[in-house]
This record gives sequence, C-alpha cells and structure tokens, in this order.
Amino acid sequence: GENVEQHPSTLSVQEGDSAVIKCTYSDSASNYFPWYKQELGKRPQLIIDIRSNVGEKKDQRIAVTLNKTAKHFSLHITETQPEDSAVYFCAASMWNSGGSNYKLTFGKGTLLTVNP
Amino acid sequence: NAGVTQTPKFQVLKTGQSMTLQCAQDMNHEYMSWYRQDPGMGLRLIHYSVGAGITDQGEVPNGYNVSRSTTEDFPLRLLSAAPSQTSVYFCASSSPAGAYHEQFFGPGTRLTVL
Repeated sequence: GENVEQHPSTLSVQEGDSAVIKCTYSDSASNYFPWYKQELGKRPQLIIDIRSNVGEKKDQRIAVTLNKTAKHFSLHITETQPEDSAVYFCAASMWNSGGSNYKLTFGKGTLLTVNP
Repeated sequence: NAGVTQTPKFQVLKTGQSMTLQCAQDMNHEYMSWYRQDPGMGLRLIHYSVGAGITDQGEVPNGYNVSRSTTEDFPLRLLSAAPSQTSVYFCASSSPAGAYHEQFFGPGTRLTVL
C-alpha cells in the first residue's frame, strides 16, 4: 500500500517568514495530493490540493509543488501569521473519474508554530 | 447543511465494553470513511464505504465493525474495547461527482478506554 513520509515533525518560524513542509510518497499510482490544516481540538480542513497533471498550485499565501519523478510534494506558506499555527497533514490517494479519494493515506503531521 | 456530524464528542469505556460511534452527513455524499488519530501517527483509515451496502477495510480495521444501510449514516462499532483503541476518531465524507473531491471531516469523538 501507499506510504507517505512527512518532514519536519515540528517547525517554528517568525511571523512574516516562509514555512516549507515536505512529503514523499511510495505508490507511483497516486495522483491526488491534498493538504489539511488542523487547529488544536478541531477537525482537519482542506487548505489546498494538487493533482499529478499539475506541477504547482497557488492560493494566496499558500502553494503546493509536486515532483512526480521524485514522488515528492511540498507545502509552501509565505508571510506566515500567528493564525497559521496548527498541525499540517499531507496525504496521497489515487483519484480517477469515478472518484477514489476516500482512501487517503496521511503523513504523520507537522506542528507549525508562528512566533509573533 | 450540518455537514458531517458525530456523536458522542467524548466517551470513556472500560476494557471489554462495546459501543457505537455515530456518524451522519447531509450532503448526499456516496463515500464515507472512519479514521483514527493518535499522537505522532497522523490519521489512519479504519474502514470506508463507497455507497449504501458496500464497506471495506482500511489500514487498521481490527477490533472495529461498520455497516452502511443508508447514504447518510455510517456507524463504527467497537465490539470489545481495548486500551489500544484510546484515540480520537474522525468520520469523513466525500463525493466523486464533479471536480471537487474534498473529504469533509466531522468534529471527532475522543474515546478513552480504561
């Protein structure tokens, strides 16, 4: 089955700095890579996702890059703010037109702390 | 829309007791899943369903049963609780329709087994 490795497990940055979280996956058939943000005591919520036919996707201060050859994808947060502090999870699954995104394999998470 | 709802929010069981965690969604999603979240382990898939009457095992299914009699509900049953099942349980739903495939998570159930 799929295996997703996520690094680092903790990340501390100063407000305004950039943060980068990296993930690798093992199954070359995986083609859908979402990122979830989980605030303390809350449910995970999708913040951005990317499919394997795209190399990069941006949404305001958040971007995700994908290297299919290396089976590697990363989350980039620019101009970090204290409200970005949370646990971030990457995930991978195989998605097709019939929809297979119910079987997400998650990384172990990164605790991001943004210091004011 | 209430989205994905879960009950109870908190539960304490003794070893050997059984219970059912409830999950419901009002978005008419075909897909529903159960995950458990343990410190430092991320979220791991327990069981999933692609539609009413259809269920399958995920990564960590032992000790859990599921059924899906309706599109809306997907209960998770613990047959004989063990301390190793102490965890936070999340239910999620999604739909294969269209181009938007987000998994929507419920608020979670925090379970402690003594």
